Amino acid sequence: GAVVSQHPSRVICKSGTSVKIECRSLDFQATTMFWYRQFPKKSLMLMATSNEGSKATYEQGVEKDKFLINHASLTLSTLTVTSAHPEDSSFYICSAPLRQGGDTQYFGPGTRLTVL
Amino acid sequence: AQSVTQLDSHVSVSEGTPVLLRCNYSSSYSPSLFWYVQHPNKGLQLLLKYTSAATLVKGINGFEAEFKKSETSFHLTKPSAHMSDAAEYFCVVSQGNTPLVFGKGTRLSVIA
Repeated sequence: GAVVSQHPSRVICKSGTSVKIECRSLDFQATTMFWYRQFPKKSLMLMATSNEGSKATYEQGVEKDKFLINHASLTLSTLTVTSAHPEDSSFYICSAPLRQGGDTQYFGPGTRLTVL
Repeated sequence: AQSVTQLDSHVSVSEGTPVLLRCNYSSSYSPSLFWYVQHPNKGLQLLLKYTSAATLVKGINGFEAEFKKSETSFHLTKPSAHMSDAAEYFCVVSQGNTPLVFGKGTRLSVIA
């Protein structure tokens, strides 16, 4: 099956610093990737849709200046949490469809962000 | 608009007994329906999906789900639970390339 990787798997940072999370499709190209946030014992909340070659589409209530998304190539999307605060601590997960417009998403293993 | 309701936040079964995780959906058009499993601190793994073919869908690890349009349900079942099945399960609905809509999840506990 399709493989999506995320790096790092776990990161701890100080309040006020920025953290970059990478999402890669390892064996397929993804013009679209999705970023989710998951709070403890909660479901996934879609944050934004990352589009290769154009701006990301953010869900209502998600600060685009806070969560910067760059879809640099057909296999890489990055999420940068700028000026992180403790309330940004969460589990961040990306996903990508195997083909453009496909409905089956393949998920990365997630990144656990802890902001001290 | 689409929505998903997972009727149980927590299900506990004994090892070797059947598993039933319930899911009801709402969708304007013919949806695609999925079940994903998430083990602690891990990403999501696709268990199975329904995309308007056979209404009884078989997935990995012995799981299956039946699409019932009249009941707008897509319940997940397994005849015999294993300890390794203990995880969080998400029912998900999608239409084409629209973002996935997740249920709130059901935590499955398996008792030895």
